[in-house]
Amino acid sequence: KAGVTQTPRYLIKTRGQQVTLSCSPISGHRSVSWYQQTPGQGLQFLFEYFSETQRNKGNFPGRFSGRQFSNSRSEMNVSTLELGDSALYLCASSLRFLNTEAFFGQGTRLTVV
Amino acid sequence: EDQVTQSPEALRLQEGESSSLNCSYTVSGLRGLFWYRQDPGKGPEFLFTLYSAGEEKEKERLKATLTKKESFLHITAPKPEDSATYLCAVRSFKETSGSRLTFGEGTQLTVNP
Repeated sequence: KAGVTQTPRYLIKTRGQQVTLSCSPISGHRSVSWYQQTPGQGLQFLFEYFSETQRNKGNFPGRFSGRQFSNSRSEMNVSTLELGDSALYLCASSLRFLNTEAFFGQGTRLTVV
Repeated sequence: EDQVTQSPEALRLQEGESSSLNCSYTVSGLRGLFWYRQDPGKGPEFLFTLYSAGEEKEKERLKATLTKKESFLHITAPKPEDSATYLCAVRSFKETSGSRLTFGEGTQLTVNP
């Protein structure tokens, strides 16, 4: 079956712009979580959605937001981009909310110039 | 705050030279410990889930074990294709802050032919 699909794979944006990233989870999975990966900080938790509700949020500024649709697809938005937002953004889907494995997509590589 | 520490940061082995990677953790409300493999520029690939002390899982040349404070990923007779970064993560759940995955920094494994 199809894995987690993230689009686009690569993105170049200018400081001050905003960006929207998309994630389609594995069919039947209802939980979607987002992570930021940088060489210095590793994988950092952004937020998790389950049944269209944000269940948890990491320590990121309000410029980072997300949402989940009724078909479990999720989007993540970053407004007023800063150079430090350059990173690999990863989406993971899980069958349920707790006690289950998370399967990752290939990520979106965002470069802010 | 949940903490995951992996050691060593980097490990270089000769093909066939067995070794172990360590993941020590401090977490309240543990809902599972996960091992992932990540190749450069790609999303993490799920390997194992461990839920309770004493549990062991095996897959090809890899074997993961869990105690109350740490997990080990044993690699038996590794091959060059096992070269990757191995990530350990714990899922916790707290009434006040919900569920999240906390990742370690990873161990970068290189297997020379």
